[in-house]
Amino acid sequence: DSGVTQTPKHLITATGQRVTLRCSPRSGDLSVYWYQQSLDQGLQFLIQYYNGEERAKGNILERFSAQQFPDLHSELNLSSLELGDSALYFCASSVASGFNQPQHFGDGTRLSIL
Amino acid sequence: GESVGLHLPTLSVQEGDNSIINCAYSNSASDYFIWYKQESGKGPQFIIDIRSNMDKRQGQRVTVLLNKTVKHLSLQIAATQPGDSAVYFCAETGAAGNKLTFGGGTRVLVKP
Repeated sequence: DSGVTQTPKHLITATGQRVTLRCSPRSGDLSVYWYQQSLDQGLQFLIQYYNGEERAKGNILERFSAQQFPDLHSELNLSSLELGDSALYFCASSVASGFNQPQHFGDGTRLSIL
Repeated sequence: GESVGLHLPTLSVQEGDNSIINCAYSNSASDYFIWYKQESGKGPQFIIDIRSNMDKRQGQRVTVLLNKTVKHLSLQIAATQPGDSAVYFCAETGAAGNKLTFGGGTRVLVKP
């Protein structure tokens, strides 16, 4: 158990809809990262928050957004969903803000777009 | 987990043998490298990391080797066990150090 909690585990929705994925980091971790894992693209970094502020951005679409709340949990919002957004979405956390340290991953949310 | 690439390279290993998983990284300026293990239905699990000022680092039953000359990283697992069956990913920080870039993964199958 990594200590990172993601909800829900599974989400099924339709094209054009909007969903929110939730992540609680490990106790004491200030950084939260979001990743997308799909069959054709592998694990792709989306965005990082550190202590409530956006710190780094990866391959995140404009239809996607995230935030980190004062209690350090984070939410990833995906809107105007398309079939190609079907994937596993992982959250990871770490103590500090840099990428040169281990990130600890949750077990992901499987998003299926019908 | 099971949804990771259908055409992953696969390493078949006899239980008790040593495994070597290789990774070619892309950026010579990367200063941090990390290995993850992903079991079916789970998120990536941290195994071991290494910084660019080192050539070798050992953990419990695992060793990571870094060859910066040829931009090659390897993970050695000693006395491979059935529980080691998983997909293994290497990752690097890249030149700017502002993201973690993952390789495509290698599936390890341990035969009893």
